[in-house]
Amino acid sequence: EDQVTQSPEALRLQEGESSSLNCSYTVSGLRGLFWYRQDPGKGPEFLFTLYSAGEEKEKERLKATLTKKESFLHITAPKPEDSATYLCAVKEGAQKLVFGQGTRLTINP
Amino acid sequence: DSGVTQTPKHLITATGQRVTLRCSPRSGDLSVYWYQQSLDQGLQFLIHYYNGEERAKGNILERFSAQQFPDLHSELNLSSLELGDSALYFCASSVVHGREQFFGPGTRLTVL
Repeated sequence: EDQVTQSPEALRLQEGESSSLNCSYTVSGLRGLFWYRQDPGKGPEFLFTLYSAGEEKEKERLKATLTKKESFLHITAPKPEDSATYLCAVKEGAQKLVFGQGTRLTINP
Repeated sequence: DSGVTQTPKHLITATGQRVTLRCSPRSGDLSVYWYQQSLDQGLQFLIHYYNGEERAKGNILERFSAQQFPDLHSELNLSSLELGDSALYFCASSVVHGREQFFGPGTRLTVL
């Protein structure tokens, strides 16, 4: 079965302090890697889809990259409103998403 | 707002009872997925329906069942509830298989 491991489990940064979150995966034939943001008690909010190694996607202060074994979510000059849990998932088969446990990001003002 | 709606937002019930959770997908989406999120297990896939037909099952208990109706809304039925069934239940939808899934706000189920 496909596996997704995210690190670190939790990350605390100062406002403006850039960093990266890691998502490593084992999958037989990647059909898509997805990043979501989840606020406490809310549903995951879609951020990015990556399909092939070398692909990059950007949105505001976030940039997602993909290699053959892992994906990174880079956060540049974060603000307190970027605080959330960031989830990574891979598609297994044609339908289901297999999620990692998430990285809980806190940005202090 | 993802466009996926779920009702109710909160549900408190007792062990042994049965509940029904409802989901309406985004306009035009034919695929509906159900996920369970608990503190120790994270987000776990339960079941997928496409245009009224069951397409994939995950680690869904036999006490749980789902269906998708002709108007594409879906219901997740949970019966003989146990304390361990307390969790957030999310519905997601996508326009076709393999594309990004958009999640609803979830239903928080508490079994006492």
